[in-house]
Amino acid sequence: AQSVTQLDSHVSVSEGTPVLLRCNYSSSYSPSLFWYVQHPNKGLQLLLKYTSAATLVKGINGFEAEFKKSETSFHLTKPSAHMSDAAEYFCVVSALTNSGYALNFGKGTSLLVTP
Amino acid sequence: EAGVVQSPRYKIIEKKQPVAFWCNPISGHNTLYWYRQNLGQGPELLIRYENEEAVDDSQLPKDRFSAERLKGVDSTLKIQPAELGDSAVYLCASSSETFLSTDTQYFGPGTRLTVL
Repeated sequence: AQSVTQLDSHVSVSEGTPVLLRCNYSSSYSPSLFWYVQHPNKGLQLLLKYTSAATLVKGINGFEAEFKKSETSFHLTKPSAHMSDAAEYFCVVSALTNSGYALNFGKGTSLLVTP
Repeated sequence: EAGVVQSPRYKIIEKKQPVAFWCNPISGHNTLYWYRQNLGQGPELLIRYENEEAVDDSQLPKDRFSAERLKGVDSTLKIQPAELGDSAVYLCASSSETFLSTDTQYFGPGTRLTVL
């Protein structure tokens, strides 16, 4: 079965410092992987997605993620955190089921950005 | 382009009462999803529609939950009767995905249900 594990439930960074949110995946075939962000009381927004093209994926708001098959990882990074980046981040894998594709979400990483 | 619309945004009910959530997907999206997100967890799929057909309802607790998507556009998710454990955020998403290909799912803001 396809699944993801987010290695940190909470991450705290200072404004202007790099962000690293870690995600490992488990998949029996080449997966499609996503990062979504959820701000309080708002819907989930797609940050970026990997679908077996370039292994370094650039997303919105300066975020990027690198697909590393040898490490089964898909970590999310940003060079410089902004206060507005504080939110919940979900790593997601697309899993093929009998009725089509389904998204399997990680448990989320809460990012805190301090001044 | 308008996003996925959900209503109500918040709902508080007493246990054993019925409740319904409504979703209007992005225009042209044939696939619609209902997810439940418990506190501190990622969303979990309840049901997936392709047009009017529910193609995956394996995770829907059918004894109390029901859903419909008449005319393949708007959808309603109902709980009757509600239990304390149903307190969660109910998310609707849509995409132009088909059985053979995965596509980006766009999420609505969700309905936060509190059962007292």
